[in-house]
Amino acid sequence: GEDVEQSLFLSVREGDSSVINCTYTDSSSTYLYWYKQEPGAGLQLLTYIFSNMDMKQDQRLTVLLNKKDKHLSLRIADTQTGDSAIYFCAEIRGRDDKIIFGKGTRLHILP
Amino acid sequence: EAEVAQSPRYKITEKSQAVAFWCDPISGHATLYWYRQILGQGPELLVQFQDESVVDDSQLPKDRFSAERLKGVDSTLKIQPAELGDSAMYLCASSFGTGAGNTDTQYFGPGTRLTVL
Repeated sequence: GEDVEQSLFLSVREGDSSVINCTYTDSSSTYLYWYKQEPGAGLQLLTYIFSNMDMKQDQRLTVLLNKKDKHLSLRIADTQTGDSAIYFCAEIRGRDDKIIFGKGTRLHILP
Repeated sequence: EAEVAQSPRYKITEKSQAVAFWCDPISGHATLYWYRQILGQGPELLVQFQDESVVDDSQLPKDRFSAERLKGVDSTLKIQPAELGDSAMYLCASSFGTGAGNTDTQYFGPGTRLTVL
């Protein structure tokens, strides 16, 4: 099937904003998710957005959803060293509501 | 805070051996998932349980993989015999409900990293 697309790498200076982009495939996807994975660990749910929303803000995290273009983004304000991780975008796909993950974006923080 | 527990965290085995992974979901979560995550990829669903029943095992290589959740609580994933290509992180997740929605958000355990030599 089609892939959920993400850039593989992003480097950002500490204190700057990070923007991680994702293109998903299923226009009928009801929920879209962002997960964070630190080295050697499982996936931690960061945030999600319902498909009838354009934006969701949660402290330093802002999620933007463009349904027309099937584009999802995650903005992390004031990026810290602890934000260094792999970030996975995920969509709900199909009649059986399967969660499909992208390959992940590795966020590297520059001093 | 309730967490999904998995063991072991790391497993090294030789090819053709049998391995087993254990998962204990968050209490009260009816749905349990096993994923395989190959290095550099996102997780891919292997099997999904609703209580003790399998609801999706379409991506499970049934010639060598098996999974069970006998009492509808904890679960075991087995590989026999293991092959070199099985080296990956095996993640367990659980959710409260059965379909998409914020009540059905999946919570992941720390994973078991399998290395097959």
